[in-house]
Amino acid sequence: DTEVTQTPKHLVMGMTNKKSLKCEQHMGHRAMYWYKQKAKKPPELMFVYSYEKLSINESVPSRFSPECPNSSLLNLHLHALQPEDSALYLCASSRQEMGDEQYFGPGTRLTVT
Amino acid sequence: GENVEQHPSTLSVQEGDSAVIKCTYSDSASNYFPWYKQELGKGPQLIIDIRSNVGEKKDQRIAVTLNKTAKHFSLHITETQPEDSAVYFCAAAPYSSASKIIFGSGTRLSIRP
Repeated sequence: DTEVTQTPKHLVMGMTNKKSLKCEQHMGHRAMYWYKQKAKKPPELMFVYSYEKLSINESVPSRFSPECPNSSLLNLHLHALQPEDSALYLCASSRQEMGDEQYFGPGTRLTVT
Repeated sequence: GENVEQHPSTLSVQEGDSAVIKCTYSDSASNYFPWYKQELGKGPQLIIDIRSNVGEKKDQRIAVTLNKTAKHFSLHITETQPEDSAVYFCAAAPYSSASKIIFGSGTRLSIRP
């Protein structure tokens, strides 16, 4: 099983809402990632978790709050977002953090109104 | 930091012909070079990767070459088929921060029937 799943597939939220994105993998991977992808652009790294601990935060605004409840799950909590935060949010995982193949999920298409 | 340049931005080839996408990187410490294919509405899919101790790697119709001296790497797709139509991203990862893969800007490949 080389699948990373993400829910929901689509999300529309207002600027005052609180919502969460979910990501799950059952490959035994110990590193998990959140990326943001704008249209016609490559993915941009947001956060890296290694062994359930946050190891990289790419200076992401605090309105994005990641959480790794266990080695299979990764959440991204959203609060007070701006319209420019509308994008495809991708989750990925790899066996280890250092130089291993990253496998991406299908993404959540987020629209902030 | 690492910078990855990718060319061309768009590529149209006749079905059955070959397609070549080229990338250059700036950080001589980079040692991992994955290629991703992203179809419309989907997450990036790892299609092939190469590490710095290897000059060439092949998997059926796709191959990747690496020239460490020139800091170039390329993706070759032979006998192209309609299902090869997608956006392709090259990437590079420095050994010192291997979880932070740096993506190229992407190539939109179209296969003409």
